[in-house]
Amino acid sequence: SQTIHQWPATLVQPVGSPLSLECTVEGTSNPNLYWYRQAAGRGLQLLFYSVGIGQISSEVPQNLSASRPQDRQFILSSKKLLLSDSGFYLCARSGTAITGELFFGEGSRLTVL
Amino acid sequence: AQSVAQPEDQVNVAEGNPLTVKCTYSVSGNPYLFWYVQYPNRGLQFLLKYITGDNLVKGSYGFEAEFNKSQTSFHLKKPSALVSDSALYFCAVRDGNYGQNFVFGPGTRLSVLP
Repeated sequence: SQTIHQWPATLVQPVGSPLSLECTVEGTSNPNLYWYRQAAGRGLQLLFYSVGIGQISSEVPQNLSASRPQDRQFILSSKKLLLSDSGFYLCARSGTAITGELFFGEGSRLTVL
Repeated sequence: AQSVAQPEDQVNVAEGNPLTVKCTYSVSGNPYLFWYVQYPNRGLQFLLKYITGDNLVKGSYGFEAEFNKSQTSFHLKKPSALVSDSALYFCAVRDGNYGQNFVFGPGTRLSVLP
């Protein structure tokens, strides 16, 4: 099984509060890991990707950061949430082969009030 | 730079009729193409991919897609639509020259009417 766990599944936070979304992957080693955000049930925006422990690439300047403390763990964080951070956050993994597809977790829905 | 277009925001078809969801792409290297489906409040599910070889690719749930290099297209098709196929569909491309990034289209909402 190559399962991706995301938690929490839903989260309601006030503006200015911190955020931590966690993603863990089972059944594979050295995966490439990704964080996407989906707004209003439409397109996906790539936020971060990681090819290994401690290696993070940021695609879009924003109020968020990511860390990969372990091979199968990918964390999305913010020190102070903005209203615009609301959305559906999806963690995904791929293998190292360029022909490999992405596999997604079930997502974390964040509402910032 | 890589890009993906899905020219239709919404596609409506009657149950039992064939369906097509369109996708065109732009890459500088070899294209690796993917289709995903998303049901409400769920993650994306992989349907099929084109890497090389036969231009007609068969995938999950009776879906197939046709790769057309000259038209830079990768349209998703199904011979007979089901109401349960109603969902959001995403086309994605990975450029053979730029390994890590997948670029997704904006999505097409498919509604299959009973």
